[in-house]
Amino acid sequence: DTGVSQDPRHKITKRGQNVTFRCDPISEHNRLYWYRQTLGQGPEFLTYFQNEAQLEKSRLLSDRFSAERPKGSFSTLEIQRTEQGDSAMYLCASSVNPGRQPSFSYNEQFFGPGTRLTVL
Amino acid sequence: SQKIEQNSEALNIQEGKTATLTCNYTNYSPAYLQWYRQDPGRGPVFLLLIRENEKEKRKERLKVTFDTTLKQSLFHITASQPADSATYLCALVSGYSTLTFGKGTMLLVSP
Repeated sequence: DTGVSQDPRHKITKRGQNVTFRCDPISEHNRLYWYRQTLGQGPEFLTYFQNEAQLEKSRLLSDRFSAERPKGSFSTLEIQRTEQGDSAMYLCASSVNPGRQPSFSYNEQFFGPGTRLTVL
Repeated sequence: SQKIEQNSEALNIQEGKTATLTCNYTNYSPAYLQWYRQDPGRGPVFLLLIRENEKEKRKERLKVTFDTTLKQSLFHITASQPADSATYLCALVSGYSTLTFGKGTMLLVSP
């Protein structure tokens, strides 16, 4: 399977614990995005990387959230001191830099299956 | 404030009919609008993209229109099938080439 993968698929944790999620993008994709999705809502953008550079992080929900992509390949999203309100699906997506894409598929994003977080 | 609105109630139609889903937006000037399909427990899957200077785009049984004056996109599925049942999300490409999604509309196609 050469799609976007995420690990773990499910995570149950107690309030106050730290959690880390991993995303492996499609190998030739240099852009990687993180989203959060709660029930009945569309995905909410959190942050994105082009290669290893984090180009936008102002939309991370609080300073408890951080993301890395140290070698420009896989990425991790960490939530420190989890709260019950952090319970959600965390989605990762990847894409090719739009300047390098065929015009009809500008910024098409390929999503992973998500990590479902439950904070007790 | 910026807002993207999709039909909040599920759309129920019979197999073979055309499904039409609506996406309205305010306080945006998107260069592109995209439609995604999402099945329960899975990530969204890209369907179609339409640019601001395009009125209509087609792909197989799918058709998207984009009216920047009305600030509206319509998404049509012709000859709908039960397998088309899913949630359909519209998304605007905003600054930084990131996507802002609507809440989605659930489509239910009954045999």
